[in-house]
Amino acid sequence: DMKVTQMPRYLIKRMGENVLLECGQDMSHETMYWYRQDPGLGLQLIYISYDVDSNSEGDIPKGYRVSRKKREHFSLILDSAKTNQTSVYFCASSPGTGISAETLYFGSGTRLTVL
Amino acid sequence: GQQVKQSSPSLTVQEGGILILNCDYENDMFDYFAWYKKYPDNSPTLLISVRSNVDKREDGRFTVFLNKSGKHFSLHITASQPEDTAVYLCAAGINQGGSAKLIFGEGTKLTVSS
Repeated sequence: DMKVTQMPRYLIKRMGENVLLECGQDMSHETMYWYRQDPGLGLQLIYISYDVDSNSEGDIPKGYRVSRKKREHFSLILDSAKTNQTSVYFCASSPGTGISAETLYFGSGTRLTVL
Repeated sequence: GQQVKQSSPSLTVQEGGILILNCDYENDMFDYFAWYKKYPDNSPTLLISVRSNVDKREDGRFTVFLNKSGKHFSLHITASQPEDTAVYLCAAGINQGGSAKLIFGEGTKLTVSS
């Protein structure tokens, strides 16, 4: 069963705390993504990973970093979370690299609230 | 600025009606265009997509039209059903230096009333 799994589903943190969002996929996809979704802004691309230790900034990388040490696992890290990072975070994966015509498979999302 | 734009935040249509969702893009290097559907508290899933060498693609009740000169693509839904009620996200894909990414619009919330 092809799946992208995100943990946790809901998370509440205080401003200044560190946040770790985890994402896994069981499809051996090369490419993985982190997006955030905010009302009126759609899905905004934070980071892309094209394979292990091959990460690239998306459109809004400031305040975030990522880690991909295994192909099936991609983490999003917020060092010292800010209230404006309250959002729903979606992880996604796609089979290839360097091919724009790829279907993205999304996880269920993590709703992060930073107080 | 927003590279991919959906002009209508929300739309309502009667069951059985035809509707058109619109999306405009800025970068003429985009070569892939897609519509994703998202139910509340669920993840987006691909509905239909088209490469830039094709002007139209039909899949059942769903058709995507691409107007490259106008930097515009649209999703036409016929015989709309209550289960079509969802948020529809348009997306455009670009391949830059061997690296691909997909840029999404803001989304249009569609309500199909019975």
